[in-house]
Amino acid sequence: DAGVTQSPTHLIKTRGQHVTLRCSPISGHKSVSWYQQVLGQGPQFIFQYYEKEERGRGNFPDRFSARQFPNYSSELNVNALLLGDSALYLCASIGTGNTIYFGEGSWLTVV
Amino acid sequence: AQTVTQSQPEMSVQEAETVTLSCTYDTSENNYYLFWYKQPPSRQMILVIRQEAYKQQNATENRFSVNFQKAAKSFSLKISDSQLGDTAMYFCAFMKHGYGGATNKLIFGTGTLLAVQP
Repeated sequence: DAGVTQSPTHLIKTRGQHVTLRCSPISGHKSVSWYQQVLGQGPQFIFQYYEKEERGRGNFPDRFSARQFPNYSSELNVNALLLGDSALYLCASIGTGNTIYFGEGSWLTVV
Repeated sequence: AQTVTQSQPEMSVQEAETVTLSCTYDTSENNYYLFWYKQPPSRQMILVIRQEAYKQQNATENRFSVNFQKAAKSFSLKISDSQLGDTAMYFCAFMKHGYGGATNKLIFGTGTLLAVQP
């Protein structure tokens, strides 16, 4: 079975631009979460979605938004990019027993 | 609010030896989960082991085991027979039990960088 898949793996954007990151959860998993990991730190929770509904939001500005589609895949959108948004963005798929599996991440560099 | 503390920024161990990574947490919750994740240089976050707080028995996965002390709010990871492939950043994480529509939010520590020496 495929694990959590994310795309793109690496991307470079300019300040002020918009970015969309994509995630497909493990087959059968209905919930996904997004985390931001800045270099040298642990991941920080951004969003969780379950059955297309937002279940939780972390302490991130409104420039960050997300959605989940009927096939349970998800998009994370970030508007008006800042240099500080440069990070590894991790998508997580939540299975039975609240076990959480991560994808390989999307490396975003803002210049 | 819950917090997770990893007090060892870096550790080193010889191949085939045993090493223990420390983690403490603070919470007023009674039902929760604790996790150890491994993040190698590839940066993918890999689940190592999971413990449910209501279970007194310590979780074990092959060479990896935990020492869960609920009263002391301590959750250490023991790696036996260390291998070169164990070299990675290790993160301890906490999550409240997700009853009903509650959020499944992981709270991570700052990590411990483990180097296994040949």
